[in-house]
Amino acid sequence: GAGVSQTPSNKVTEKGKYVELRCDPISGHTALYWYRQSLGQGPEFLIYFQGTGAADDSGLPNDRFFAVRPEGSVSTLKIQRTERGDSAVYLCASSLRGDSTYEQYFGPGTRLTVT
Amino acid sequence: AQSVAQPEDQVNVAEGNPLTVKCTYSVSGNPYLFWYVQYPNRGLQFLLKYITGDNLVKGSYGFEAEFNKSQTSFHLKKPSALVSDSALYFCAVRGDSGTYKYIFGTGTRLKVLA
Repeated sequence: GAGVSQTPSNKVTEKGKYVELRCDPISGHTALYWYRQSLGQGPEFLIYFQGTGAADDSGLPNDRFFAVRPEGSVSTLKIQRTERGDSAVYLCASSLRGDSTYEQYFGPGTRLTVT
Repeated sequence: AQSVAQPEDQVNVAEGNPLTVKCTYSVSGNPYLFWYVQYPNRGLQFLLKYITGDNLVKGSYGFEAEFNKSQTSFHLKKPSALVSDSALYFCAVRGDSGTYKYIFGTGTRLKVLA
């Protein structure tokens, strides 16, 4: 079956611009996570959705970052007034349920470069 | 504070030899521990997990990991390494009880030499 997909695979934007990153989870997975991975680092948690609601957004670095999942499936991570420090690979993962015993399935990521 | 440590940036092992990739953690409450692998140009893939029960857990591709509560460790092992095991390995732990925040280590690059 289809795995987690993310679009675009690469995004180059200028400092100060707005970007949207999309995640399409595995069908039937109710839990969805966003992570950010910088070079040489492990994934850094940003936000967790259970269904349509953000159950834990404690990892969002500041109010320039926002994410939605309006119908409980596709999610969009939105970054306003991008800064060069936002450059990273943004990963999306889904799992069958939000119960922490379930493993996560990761997408290939979106590489964001802010110039 | 919640944390995961992978003390080795890189581990080199000869093909056919046993391998160990180390992971230690610090969380409050019961730890839920995971290992993921990242191959070049591919997304992170789940290998195995410890939730409860037997301290030795078996996973994909012949990997296993041993949970040691007293040492707060969850080392990844394989009895006989293959060149195709060469990849980047991440240990992860669910954070403090009541949150859904997963914490990943910085990763260990495993290089299996033919």
